[in-house]
Amino acid sequence: DAGITQSPRHKVTETGTPVTLRCHQTENHRYMYWYRQDPGHGLRLIHYSYGVKDTDKGEVSDGYSVSRSKTEDFLLTLESATSSQTSVYFCAISGQDQETQYFGPGTRLLVL
Amino acid sequence: QKEVEQDPGPLSVPEGAIVSLNCTYSNSAFQYFMWYRQYSRKGPELLMYTYSSGNKEDGRFTAQVDKSSKYISLFIRDSQPSDSATYLCAMSPGPSGTYKYIFGTGTRLKVLA
Repeated sequence: DAGITQSPRHKVTETGTPVTLRCHQTENHRYMYWYRQDPGHGLRLIHYSYGVKDTDKGEVSDGYSVSRSKTEDFLLTLESATSSQTSVYFCAISGQDQETQYFGPGTRLLVL
Repeated sequence: QKEVEQDPGPLSVPEGAIVSLNCTYSNSAFQYFMWYRQYSRKGPELLMYTYSSGNKEDGRFTAQVDKSSKYISLFIRDSQPSDSATYLCAMSPGPSGTYKYIFGTGTRLKVLA
């Protein structure tokens, strides 16, 4: 699994609560990504990071923030969870050649 | 119109069949083309990666890119029940670190024993 772990793997939360998802890599890769996967939409980029403290928005960034204080960790925070953020969240890292992305196992989030 | 279109399936084939999975795209700037396999409740797994046009073969899998038609294909020979999964195509204009990937919605494949 390309040395990527995600935690938690499953989470149920209530509308309005903050939620933080963690992605951890052991590959020392520079680039890290957060995607969400929903039926009919495929994988959509939320935010990505190109280095420690360097992040940028993807196509569906509203309601999400990220932080990267160490090379190995990339955190995704839902500031005030809504039911529309119920989804499967995947972290990805970019290989040393920067030509491919490798995905983590995913986090299933249910917002009630 | 989406930038990348992929038939959602499901596509059901008998074991041993040749499978053809396809994606069409609209952005002529795409140069990098990837195929991922995703088993149920798992993360996508990189299968094939192709730069620009042409074919690439890896075991039972062949990836084909036709940039003139804006069409990419993944062929699976001698399909096995273990190939049953969702197959996602992805593409970008440049290297992953600099350019964003655009994904298809995936085609669900069932290989029947």
